[in-house]
Amino acid sequence: ETGVTQSPTHLIKTRGQQVTLRCSSQSGHNTVSWYQQALGQGPQFIFQYYREEENGRGNFPPRFSGLQFPNYSSELNVNALELDDSALYLCATSPAGGGTDTQYFGPGTRLTVL
Amino acid sequence: SQQGEEDPQALSIQEGENATMNCSYKTSINNLQWYRQNSGRGLVHLILIRSNEREKHSGRLRVTLDTSKKSSSLLITASRAADTASYFCVEDTGRRALTFGSGTRLQVQP
Repeated sequence: ETGVTQSPTHLIKTRGQQVTLRCSSQSGHNTVSWYQQALGQGPQFIFQYYREEENGRGNFPPRFSGLQFPNYSSELNVNALELDDSALYLCATSPAGGGTDTQYFGPGTRLTVL
Repeated sequence: SQQGEEDPQALSIQEGENATMNCSYKTSINNLQWYRQNSGRGLVHLILIRSNEREKHSGRLRVTLDTSKKSSSLLITASRAADTASYFCVEDTGRRALTFGSGTRLQVQP
């Protein structure tokens, strides 16, 4: 197991609501990335945070936003939830900004939007 | 999308047999990584092969990389029931995001 934890494990929301997902970084890792994984698909990159700044973003609308805190933990916020937002949300941490590093994934939060 | 593809999409074998999964990717990579995912949960890093390497071993895993064909393969030898999982090849271009393929679902029958 990695040292990355995510909360909550499962979440059910209704369309139009807002949700906050949380990720605690593995010790010594200052970079966190968020991915969305729809059922039967590979994870899709949402964005990355490095030293509390957004450091890259995938093809996701602005209603997907994030934060990284001084202790390198992170939040993913999704506003105005849509049915297609139902997915497994994974965070991954690494010891340095950018790619070319192994990323350590948390167990994920499964979000269901009704 | 820059997402690559794994082949086959699903594979069922008997315990003790070898499993081979192939991956084609589309971009210029710094390295290629393979990850495993059990039961739709968190991903576990298996092995990383750099763009200047052609073959790499780790325990029962063997990975090859052909950058001229933009392809890679993962071989799991002497498979076990615990190897049942989805396997993803992942392009790392050094540009922040890892790009995952759609995965191969491996079922190892005891």
